[in-house]
Amino acid sequence: GAVVSQHPSWVICKSGTSVKIECRSLDFQATTMFWYRQFPKQSLMLMATSNEGSKATYEQGVEKDKFLINHASLTLSTLTVTSAHPEDSSFYICSALSDTQYFGPGTRLTVL
Amino acid sequence: TQLLEQSPQFLSIQEGENLTVYCNSSSVFSSLQWYRQEPGEGPVLLVTVVTGGEVKKLKRLTFQFGDARKDSSLHITAAQPGDTGLYLCADAPNFGNEKLTFGTGTRLTIIP
Repeated sequence: GAVVSQHPSWVICKSGTSVKIECRSLDFQATTMFWYRQFPKQSLMLMATSNEGSKATYEQGVEKDKFLINHASLTLSTLTVTSAHPEDSSFYICSALSDTQYFGPGTRLTVL
Repeated sequence: TQLLEQSPQFLSIQEGENLTVYCNSSSVFSSLQWYRQEPGEGPVLLVTVVTGGEVKKLKRLTFQFGDARKDSSLHITAAQPGDTGLYLCADAPNFGNEKLTFGTGTRLTIIP
């Protein structure tokens, strides 16, 4: 149990375009999901906390207008990277909260 | 801001050897979790420790929480290639039900 999926697993896009990443809890409902970013050879850094039915809470230094989070249901949160630039290239990982946090497999974003 | 330093940053050893990695915090942990992350995947929870001085064992892995709850160690006995990965400690308030702060990570490679 406690499986979290992400889609897509990888995406390549041109600079200036927007990319949407989905995070789904497959066998449980999650009122709260978290979005993390991991640059190569580095650790995970929390970007934002996503709560179903309310606005996301962003960490200091994360632009809320650039990283749009929508938690429209108890099993789905989406992260949209708007007007992506090469410096947004990273590994984006979500987690969904049950008894603890369960992590998705990540989405690798490459912006050309 | 809490800083979690892990050491060593990189470790490469032969199969069958023993090893210990460390996690040190600038402040007292709420509770502490250890994760293993394989390349291109999300982190997988190994253990949660809460009480100072606590020792937990998971097969060949032994986790120790410092008495003052500011440090922890992970000892692996008779390392196997399947132990290869990025080991992350994390401050985990409320047993991981709130946002996690991850350490800098130890990248472990077990050579067959």
